[in-house]
Amino acid sequence: DIQMTQSPSSLSASVGDRVTITCQASHDIGNYLNWYQQKPGKAPTLLISDASNLETGAPSRFSGSGSGTDFNFTISRLQSEDIATYFCQQYDDVPLTFGGGTKVEMK
Amino acid sequence: QVQLVQSGAEVKKPGASLRVSCKASGYTITSHDIHWVRQATGHGPEWMGWMNPNSGDTGYAQKFRGRLTMTGNISTNTAHMELDSLTSDDTAVYYCARSRVPLGGVLIVVFDNWGQGTRVTVSS
Repeated sequence: DIQMTQSPSSLSASVGDRVTITCQASHDIGNYLNWYQQKPGKAPTLLISDASNLETGAPSRFSGSGSGTDFNFTISRLQSEDIATYFCQQYDDVPLTFGGGTKVEMK
Repeated sequence: QVQLVQSGAEVKKPGASLRVSCKASGYTITSHDIHWVRQATGHGPEWMGWMNPNSGDTGYAQKFRGRLTMTGNISTNTAHMELDSLTSDDTAVYYCARSRVPLGGVLIVVFDNWGQGTRVTVSS
């Protein structure tokens, strides 16, 4: 199975801060990586597909980069509505696997 | 607008079976694969498997083979997931999710729509 190691597991930041989350795959997955946002008690919402494609309607402050084994997810200027947990997901191989999540809290 | 609405919360005894429904609206279920993902409290999501509602083809994660069944009902536009021989480790929120690429199997899996989740508690 491809292990997805996400870091940090949690972070605290202020409105306007730049936030970066990393996801490392145990094998080369090309760009077969998605990023999701999950707010408490809600289902995940797709933000980024194929490592760097921003979903239609998603704010432009969200971005993704990387390929192979190392990926980044960035919020350029944190807003209060971005408080959530973020997950990466690979689809290079089955079983599909997710990162453990990064909980973003407001400082 | 695409929507997936799941059946309600369940409380089960160890050894029992679970059946969760996922009713689609805004599109015809036969046009896209449906995947099932579960999430235990404080953990990342765990992929369980997928189903092509058009052909009935399925694929299950190794850890669930033998006790997981995914089916679809075209007439009601609904997908179902059944998990047998429940243990406390199966306590989680279960989600159905639509794969964006029509009937792509596990080749390109981007979950563009999710159900609201079904909370399942397994306890004696």
